[in-house]
Amino acid sequence: AQSVTQPDIHITVSEGASLELRCNYSYGATPYLFWYVQSPGQGLQLLLKYFSGDTLVQGIKGFEAEFKRSQSSFNLRKPSVHWSDAAEYFCAANAGGTSYGKLTFGQGTILTVHP
Amino acid sequence: KAGVTQTPRYLIKTRGQQVTLSCSPISGHRSVSWYQQTPGQGLQFLFEYFSETQRNKGNFPGRFSGRQFSNSRSEMNVSTLELGDSALYLCASSLEGNHGYTFGSGTRLTVV
Repeated sequence: AQSVTQPDIHITVSEGASLELRCNYSYGATPYLFWYVQSPGQGLQLLLKYFSGDTLVQGIKGFEAEFKRSQSSFNLRKPSVHWSDAAEYFCAANAGGTSYGKLTFGQGTILTVHP
Repeated sequence: KAGVTQTPRYLIKTRGQQVTLSCSPISGHRSVSWYQQTPGQGLQFLFEYFSETQRNKGNFPGRFSGRQFSNSRSEMNVSTLELGDSALYLCASSLEGNHGYTFGSGTRLTVV
C-alpha cells in the first residue's frame, strides 16, 4: 500500500539552530512529493513540492528539501529556525496518473522552538 | 488573488443530523479535493471533483458525499452525523488535480 511516514512526532529546537524533518515514502514509482505547514486551527500552507529534476528543492520561508531516491526520502531542512516556524509539518505524496486530488499524508511532526 | 474559501468556519450539529459544507476554489482552478483531519486518523482523503465529475474517492462510508457546480464551487454533505465525524474538514483546489494543491482554512465540525 502507498504510504508516507514521518518518524518524528515531535521535535524541539532552539531558535537559530538548524532543522531537519524526516519523511519516507513507500510507492511503486516515485510520487509527486510535498511539504505543508499548519498552524493551530488553520489550513495547510504549501512550503515546497518535487515533481522531477533537481533533487534539491527550494521553498518559501527559507525551507528546502532534498529528494533521495535510494532512500525513498524527502527530508525538509532549514539552516536557522525562527520562533515563528513553530507549527505542525506534514509530508505528502501523490502517485500521479489518475490519482487526481489524492494526497497521502504522513502523521505530521510538531515543531517547538525554544527562545 | 483570492485563496480557497470554506464556509462556515465552525459548525455544531447534533448526532443524526446532516450537514453541508461549502468550498470556493481559487479562480481558474477546476479540481477540488476534500480531506478530513482528526487527531487519531490524521489527514484522510475524501474525494476529488473536476468539471462536476467525481474522479476519485477515499475510503469513507456513503454518508459522505459531494458535488461540484459549473463554477467549480464544491459542497460536501454528511448525513446521519455520528460523534466520530467531528473533525476539521479541509478543501483544496488545483488547476487539474495532480500538481500543487492550495488548501482553505477548513470547517471545524463538532457533533454533539
